[in-house]
Amino acid sequence: EVKLQQSGDELVRPGASVKISCKASGYTFTNYAMYWVKQSPGQGLEWIGTIIPLIDTTSYNQKFKGKATLTADKSSNTAYMELSRLTSEDSAVYYCAKLGARDYWGQGVMVTVSS
Amino acid sequence: DVVLTQTPVSLSVTLGDQASISCRSSQSLVYSDGNTYLKWYLQKPGQSPQLLIYEVSNRFSGVPDRFIGSGSGTDFTLKISRVEPEDLGVYYCFQATHDPLTFGSGTKLEIK
Repeated sequence: EVKLQQSGDELVRPGASVKISCKASGYTFTNYAMYWVKQSPGQGLEWIGTIIPLIDTTSYNQKFKGKATLTADKSSNTAYMELSRLTSEDSAVYYCAKLGARDYWGQGVMVTVSS
Repeated sequence: DVVLTQTPVSLSVTLGDQASISCRSSQSLVYSDGNTYLKWYLQKPGQSPQLLIYEVSNRFSGVPDRFIGSGSGTDFTLKISRVEPEDLGVYYCFQATHDPLTFGSGTKLEIK
């Protein structure tokens, strides 16, 4: 069974950074791209970027360049997204997802930016 | 960026009736390999989005045949026949043909 288990919700100060994890199981982690998606409160969905663990290649939505950094640890089948210089605009739920003809999504991580 | 315009914004449907959602793209979604990477998702309250339809008209495993995707080029439709209580939520179209990948703004389905 494919499963994407994300880390817990975060409360962070403005200006700080946060790193979210997404542990994959049930499939060959390196063979499939991992996508990251943002959902702002009461809003729709935005694609942040994608990483291909096998070759450590990343692709970002221009809007999130400089904000999000995607990495992957092949030894632990875990993908990471770091968000930097956080502001209230970054308060949202963040999902990791294995997209394709067979889709799987993590449960989401709520990041709240507040002093 | 490709803009996906979903209509209506919200939909109130009687149980057992049909619902129809439109997704219109600002550019053709036919990729260079001939495929059209248009998907439909349902996000139920408090849950992650779940895939209903991929490549315009293919139902994901386990999705009831009440859900029918159709369309081509720039115009796409999701029809839900015989709406059931578990169908409530927000429906999104999504395109993976062009970079950046984009979602529609969503259609909220409510049960009358």
